[in-house]
Amino acid sequence: AQKVTQAQTEISVVEKEDVTLDCVYETRDTTYYLFWYKQPPSGELVFLIRRNSFDEQNEISGRYSWNFQKSTSSFNFTITASQVVDSAVYFCALSEDFGNEKLTFGTGTRLTIIP
Amino acid sequence: GAGVSQSPSNKVTEKGKDVELRCDPISGHTALYWYRQSLGQGLEFLIYFQGNSAPDKSGLPSDRFSAERTGGSVSTLTIQRTQQEDSAVYLCASSTRGLAGRDEQFFGPGTRLTVL
Repeated sequence: AQKVTQAQTEISVVEKEDVTLDCVYETRDTTYYLFWYKQPPSGELVFLIRRNSFDEQNEISGRYSWNFQKSTSSFNFTITASQVVDSAVYFCALSEDFGNEKLTFGTGTRLTIIP
Repeated sequence: GAGVSQSPSNKVTEKGKDVELRCDPISGHTALYWYRQSLGQGLEFLIYFQGNSAPDKSGLPSDRFSAERTGGSVSTLTIQRTQQEDSAVYLCASSTRGLAGRDEQFFGPGTRLTVL
């Protein structure tokens, strides 16, 4: 069975600080997909990134970066120079290759950026 | 272009009543999903439709829950004899199966259901 763990329930940092959100996953599949979604106070889930299990290259998009390490089953998300607009709940999710394409979500990390 | 839309945005009902929640996916998306977000259970998968295949209902919590998708587009989630534990935000998402495998799912704004 697949499982996603986001151990950090809530994080608060002062604006302009860097912050890393942790995600650890479990799956028996060799092919799988990892995602990060952002849920701002408005409530709508916004897609941030998708990674497949064969691509361990780290990715950077502006102030966002993702570190995927199969050896530790982790897919961590770092925000550099945080801004108040980054305040949201962030969800890590996993989808296995076989069977249906459902997302299994972690419990989310509520990030608060203090101005 | 238009995103996933859901209606109503809010629904308040009395225990024991039936409710219908509607989802309009992004045009051309063959896959449609329903999820539920509640304080106690987080984000849970409910049901999945892909093209003309039989839906995967493995996430439905009880036989009071059902869903259909007409014409490969609009979907309706029906909850019969609602209970207070059904109170949650019901999220719909759609995606298109691309050559790379799992495409991202695009989520609608959700329907907040309150059962009194």
